[in-house]
Amino acid sequence: DTGVSQDPRHKITKRGQNVTFRCDPISEHNRLYWYRQTLGQGPEFLTYFQNEAQLEKSRLLSDRFSAERPKGSFSTLEIQRTEQGDSAMYLCASSFTTGGPEETQYFGPGTRLLVL
Amino acid sequence: AQSVSQHNHHVILSEAASLELGCNYSYGGTVNLFWYVQYPGQHLQLLLKYFSGDPLVKGIKGFEAEFIKSKFSFNLRKPSVQWSDTAEYFCAVQGTYKYIFGTGTRLKVLA
Repeated sequence: DTGVSQDPRHKITKRGQNVTFRCDPISEHNRLYWYRQTLGQGPEFLTYFQNEAQLEKSRLLSDRFSAERPKGSFSTLEIQRTEQGDSAMYLCASSFTTGGPEETQYFGPGTRLLVL
Repeated sequence: AQSVSQHNHHVILSEAASLELGCNYSYGGTVNLFWYVQYPGQHLQLLLKYFSGDPLVKGIKGFEAEFIKSKFSFNLRKPSVQWSDTAEYFCAVQGTYKYIFGTGTRLKVLA
């Protein structure tokens, strides 16, 4: 399968614990996005990378959240000191763009986080 | 503020009925427009997209959408739905890079 993959698919943790999610984008895709989706809502933008550079972070991304894409390939999203409000589906998407206006993002299956 | 509105949160149709899902957006510039579908237990999949040109775009599985710039709308249509179209449908707008999604419409098609 050559789509976007995410690991783990499900994570249950206790409040205060740290968690890390991984996203492997489609090969050769230079942009990678993280979104968060809660029940009854559409996905909301968190952050994105152009190659290894993190170019934008949403206000939703508190100081407890950090994302990396060290070699411009896979990315990790870490949440420190998790809170119950962090419970959500975390989606990763990737795209290839040469900087023009046309860009299509392809989404992974998501990591569903439950904080007890 | 940039936003996307999907007015129909839940839609129930019988097979063979026609479908139209509304999507309106607020964005002060040129946009790309998308419809994604999420079947039960699956990830978001692209149904169709509009970048420029013909405002009537055709997607997979018989879906189409029409971009009406003056109304800031990008409604999704299908002439005859099937039971297998039961899913959640999301409209998304892209300005410079990030997508802004609507809240989604849950479609249930009765066999």
